[in-house]
Amino acid sequence: SQELEQSPQSLIVQEGKNLTINCTSSKTLYGLYWYKQKYGEGLIFLMMLQKGGEEKSHEKITAKLDEKKQQSSLHITASQPSHAGIYLCGAANFGNEKLTFGTGTRLTIIP
Amino acid sequence: GAGVSQSPRYKVAKRGQDVALRCDPISGHVSLFWYQQALGQGPEFLTYFQNEAQLDKSGLPSDRFFAERPEGSVSTLKIQRTQQEDSAVYLCASSPGGTHLINIQYFGAGTRLSVL
Repeated sequence: SQELEQSPQSLIVQEGKNLTINCTSSKTLYGLYWYKQKYGEGLIFLMMLQKGGEEKSHEKITAKLDEKKQQSSLHITASQPSHAGIYLCGAANFGNEKLTFGTGTRLTIIP
Repeated sequence: GAGVSQSPRYKVAKRGQDVALRCDPISGHVSLFWYQQALGQGPEFLTYFQNEAQLDKSGLPSDRFFAERPEGSVSTLKIQRTQQEDSAVYLCASSPGGTHLINIQYFGAGTRLSVL
């Protein structure tokens, strides 16, 4: 079965600083999803990557999928308090819509 | 509604009680998923419906867990004879489904179940 490992498990960053979260898969990724979760809330979709070498950006968040399609990174530029939360990567399986998730990265932004 | 709606948001049950969790997906979405999220962990897949057909229930932890979607819209996850290890957040997600091989799943806020 596919396993996703996220690093770091938690991150404390000063407001305005940049940060990167990584997601590594034990198998080639067919589709990789990034979600954000705040305490007591559901998952909010951020971005989806499918092609090797693909990169997508939305506001100050950029996600990349490596050429071998086994690792993805999420980069936040000039972090803000609104970026705080738990970031989860999820992998899609070929021919099956169910997602396998990593354990998440808890991001705290300090003033 | 505009998003996926789950009820109740919180449920406290005594060990041995039966519970029913409801999910209203986004209107028109073909696919519906249930996930279980333990504290400090990522969501884990439980089961998946395409319209009213339950296509995958491989993640259901025991025969005490049962899910249905009789009319292809609202879904109910039922847990019989609840145990303390069932305490978790139960998340429902829906996606457009259909012919797309990859569909974005939109999640509800979840139901937090506490079994005492």
